[in-house]
Amino acid sequence: SAVISQKPSRDICQRGTSLTIQCQVDSQVTMMFWYRQQPGQSLTLIATANQGSEATYESGFVIDKFPISRPNLTFSTLTVSNMSPEDSSIYLCSGCTTWGRDTQYFGPGTRLTVL
Amino acid sequence: RKEVEQDPGPFNVPEGATVAFNCTYSNSASQSFFWYRQDCRKEPKLLMSVYSSGNEDGRFTAQLNRASQYISLLIRDSKLSDSATYLCVVNHSGGGADGLTFGKGTHLIIQP
Repeated sequence: SAVISQKPSRDICQRGTSLTIQCQVDSQVTMMFWYRQQPGQSLTLIATANQGSEATYESGFVIDKFPISRPNLTFSTLTVSNMSPEDSSIYLCSGCTTWGRDTQYFGPGTRLTVL
Repeated sequence: RKEVEQDPGPFNVPEGATVAFNCTYSNSASQSFFWYRQDCRKEPKLLMSVYSSGNEDGRFTAQLNRASQYISLLIRDSKLSDSATYLCVVNHSGGGADGLTFGKGTHLIIQP
């Protein structure tokens, strides 16, 4: 199975600051995504991280708030900018492989609390 | 011990076969349980809730074993379209913050 790691695993941040989450995947993963799980809710897709170009954002998410980089095939970052308490969530990196039928894997998640 | 644990697989199963996988949870106070289906680049879709008495929906059967703290999903007469990641989800907060805990998923590949 594909391996996905994230860091930090959790953080507590002050309102108005920014946090960058890093995600490392192994070479089996071809597509990378960022999800958010707000308290008591299911997973929401934020964006698809595109290698070497701008991410593709889902409705309701914008690059200024959630800048994403993917400089190479196996690494991506998500920044949560100008944070407010409403940004408190679990942020998950995810990857899909193309073997089988687009098997999807999730990272361990980053639990963010904004005070 | 992880809160919700699943065998990541992948389970490679021939079309038409029956496949079953389990999910274990650590919090004995967990109140409700679900199976979600995850397809690539999409958001998880609720497949079925899991009740203490067990429940069936077409080819899918879910069961809960509170004593051993696990839930199971059984798929009969598997179809190629069943290939996906199946997420076990546990609600253990009674409605408070962070109530839903997702497992990492079990990856199912149906082979023609």
